Amino acid sequence: DAGVIQSPRHEVTEMGQEVTLRCKPISGHDYLFWYRQTMMRGLELLIYFNNNVPIDDSGMPEDRFSAKMPNASFSTLKIQPSEPRDSAVYFCASRRGFGETQYFGPGTRLLVL
Amino acid sequence: SQKIEQNSEALNIQEGKTATLTCNYTNYSPAYLQWYRQDPGRGPVFLLLIRENEKEKRKERLKVTFDTTLKQSLFHITASQPADSATYLCASNYGGATNKLIFGTGTLLAVQP
Repeated sequence: DAGVIQSPRHEVTEMGQEVTLRCKPISGHDYLFWYRQTMMRGLELLIYFNNNVPIDDSGMPEDRFSAKMPNASFSTLKIQPSEPRDSAVYFCASRRGFGETQYFGPGTRLLVL
Repeated sequence: SQKIEQNSEALNIQEGKTATLTCNYTNYSPAYLQWYRQDPGRGPVFLLLIRENEKEKRKERLKVTFDTTLKQSLFHITASQPADSATYLCASNYGGATNKLIFGTGTLLAVQP
């Protein structure tokens, strides 16, 4: 089992640019979660999907953020346009069914200059 | 609003001693609490889950307690080793939902040889 895969691992971009983060959940997991982690606010849930359908996006900070899950093995989180305050580590996690345990990917460290 | 809090100060202990980390919650009654370990540059890794009707859970050198009167969970690592040095995150279900997790900001544990 390869675990949750995220790409890129590091991203440096300039303010105003579009950023796309990618996630491949563990095969067979039907829940997918996107989190953002900063020193000040810790780990915050942005959005989660069940069976590829967005269920709760109340944590998405602004309209500049969007997420999609076109199929069971791929999800993207897009920031357009990016701002310096978006700098953080973004994690994707997946889960099987009603089990409470989430499996996290290695994260994408985003720096917006 | 719901809050889950951990001691933000680092915990330094000597190898072989028992490390005890605290997680407090306010303004809600979680159905369960989880503990995760996070190493630098990596995603959180699930360690233990304890439900509201359980007082204590053990796994090898790890022990978690759940005190609904004190609104607190304690996480113990017995016979600590330098390899246990990491940040430990506490999490619970968010409100009445069981699909969403709310995380504490974590406590950094440093075990000195």
